[in-house]
Amino acid sequence: NAGVTQTPKFRVLKTGQSMTLLCAQDMNHEYMYWYRQDPGMGLRLIHYSVGEGTTAKGEVPDGYNVSRLKKQNFLLGLESAAPSQTSVYFCASSSLNTGMQETQYFGPGTRLLVL
Amino acid sequence: AQKITQTQPGMFVQEKEAVTLDCTYDTSDPSYGLFWYKQPSSGEMIFLIYQGSYDQQNATEGRYSLNFQKARKSANLVISASQLGDSAMYFCASFSAYVGSARQLTFGSGTQLTVLP
Repeated sequence: NAGVTQTPKFRVLKTGQSMTLLCAQDMNHEYMYWYRQDPGMGLRLIHYSVGEGTTAKGEVPDGYNVSRLKKQNFLLGLESAAPSQTSVYFCASSSLNTGMQETQYFGPGTRLLVL
Repeated sequence: AQKITQTQPGMFVQEKEAVTLDCTYDTSDPSYGLFWYKQPSSGEMIFLIYQGSYDQQNATEGRYSLNFQKARKSANLVISASQLGDSAMYFCASFSAYVGSARQLTFGSGTQLTVLP
């Protein structure tokens, strides 16, 4: 049981290049999320998904696209990377809970440097 | 919209002593949840404790407890008997519990805790 995994762990891009970050979870969670963390700040939500085939924008969606073709996978794409997208990216997942607590479990993060 | 404020950028505590990390939140929603996460220098986000807005008692998880004061909109984390391994960044986070929505977390800016030997 690996929990939430992210690929790659570290990447360097040149301005204008594209890339896709992969998130996979083996907990059969319905909800998945992509956050970014900038130095000295908490995490900010980029996009999220409440189920296979559905996605929605979070707080800072510009410059990113996502897809959830399979329940266990959530992809984050950068079509044309910019230095402002240099950050640490975290994926998280949580299960649908009729009660209140829906703990989000995080992956180890992907460090992205855009030159 | 939710807002989380953590006013202590850095805290120091002596090993084996207790420490309180402050968190205040701002929400107009009647149903919400509050989380604390730990982020060690290795970078992963580790779930520590959860408090629901309707919970009557303060949450506890081992050495962690959450001092929930609803009227003051505060959700302070108390770590008892600090250990060197507790040195990390600590984040308070909240979500608004709309029925059927994803539980989008709003994070504070974090508190860097250093435990001194």
